[in-house]
Amino acid sequence: ETGVTQSPTHLIKTRGQQVTLRCSSQSGHNTVSWYQQALGQGPQFIFQYYREEENGRGNFPPRFSGLQFPNYSSELNVNALELDDSALYLCASSLDGLDEQFFGPGTRLTVL
Amino acid sequence: KQEVTQIPAALSVPEGENLVLNCSFTDSAIYNLQWFRQDPGKGLTSLLLIQSSQREQTSGRLNASLDKSSGRSTLYIAASQPGDSATYLCAVIGGTSYGKLTFGQGTILTVHP
Repeated sequence: ETGVTQSPTHLIKTRGQQVTLRCSSQSGHNTVSWYQQALGQGPQFIFQYYREEENGRGNFPPRFSGLQFPNYSSELNVNALELDDSALYLCASSLDGLDEQFFGPGTRLTVL
Repeated sequence: KQEVTQIPAALSVPEGENLVLNCSFTDSAIYNLQWFRQDPGKGLTSLLLIQSSQREQTSGRLNASLDKSSGRSTLYIAASQPGDSATYLCAVIGGTSYGKLTFGQGTILTVHP
């Protein structure tokens, strides 16, 4: 059984650029959630996808968007990057949105 | 709005000690509570999941309890080891946090030899 994977591991961008982060869910899981974790803080919920539909969104602006594909993998897109977007981005998958959540290793995004 | 608080923020103990990490949440209408471990710069590893109908869960040297009515959970670590050094995060799902995990700030644990 393959766990949750994320790519890339690290990314450096400049202000105003756009970035795409990718996540492959654990086998059999149809729900993917994305979280942003600033240094020294707990993760903050960005949004969740269930069977290719957005199923809840946290307090993040529209420049944070996502997709879920038929194989339940997912992308997080961030447009017009700001310095405060520098964080660890975590993806979690589960059998359904309320079940045990399994996290990937994260993508460290640095915005200069 | 669900809020989760973890106490203490940091803890340093000698190897071999038993220790307790605390977590409290403001909305008791949760579906479940999860404890995670996070090593520096890494993702989260799920340690224990407690369903709202359960009182406790055990895995090896770890024991987590849940008192839903009072909005509290504790994580008990027996016979701590240097390898237990990490940040421990508590998160709840359900109620006003339906569909999303709401996390505490974490407890940074250091176990020194």
